[in-house]
Amino acid sequence: AQSVAQPEDQVNVAEGNPLTVKCTYSVSGNPYLFWYVQYPNRGLQFLLKYITGDNLVKGSYGFEAEFNKSQTSFHLKKPSALVSDSALYFCAVRYSGAGSYQLTFGKGTKLSVIP
Amino acid sequence: NAGVTQTPKFQVLKTGQSMTLQCAQDMNHEYMSWYRQDPGMGLRLIHYSVGAGITDQGEVPNGYNVSRSTTEDFPLRLLSAAPSQTSVYFCASSYSTTRNSPLHFGNGTRLTVT
Repeated sequence: AQSVAQPEDQVNVAEGNPLTVKCTYSVSGNPYLFWYVQYPNRGLQFLLKYITGDNLVKGSYGFEAEFNKSQTSFHLKKPSALVSDSALYFCAVRYSGAGSYQLTFGKGTKLSVIP
Repeated sequence: NAGVTQTPKFQVLKTGQSMTLQCAQDMNHEYMSWYRQDPGMGLRLIHYSVGAGITDQGEVPNGYNVSRSTTEDFPLRLLSAAPSQTSVYFCASSYSTTRNSPLHFGNGTRLTVT
């Protein structure tokens, strides 16, 4: 079975400060990892993904994520937070091999950027 | 380019009623799926399809049926609504069935079952 943990329900950060949203995963074999963002009353939007190769992945809106295989983590980061980054963030994992197409999401982390 | 379109946006049902949530995409995507989102539980996969005529169950399929007669449409049917099916439902698609292909989401249908 595969799973995702987002240990923080909420993260508060001041505008202009760096932000980190944490994610750890469990999967048998090599993972594909994703970050999505959800604004109020909207569907999720894709931010970035890790497939293989470089452990630092760059995505939309200045976000990046660092894959750490030994710690089974895929933390989302941004050097300087904007008020408009306030939203709900979801980490997701999918096994890269054959079999189920199941994409497993974490429970989400609410990011609040304080002006 | 409309992307993924879900209708209706809101729906209230009485226990035991049936209904169909509509999902259409205009991007010629192979893969389509339905998720439900409940507070504190993230998103859970209900059913998915890797192409017209092919569907499979996800994590929480009980009480729901799907069909995929065309590439564009992937309706979700609630056979006999129960209060436990009160949720926000999202349809999502991806261009490819490869497992690293990101999903495009609709804006959701908020369903309340009384």
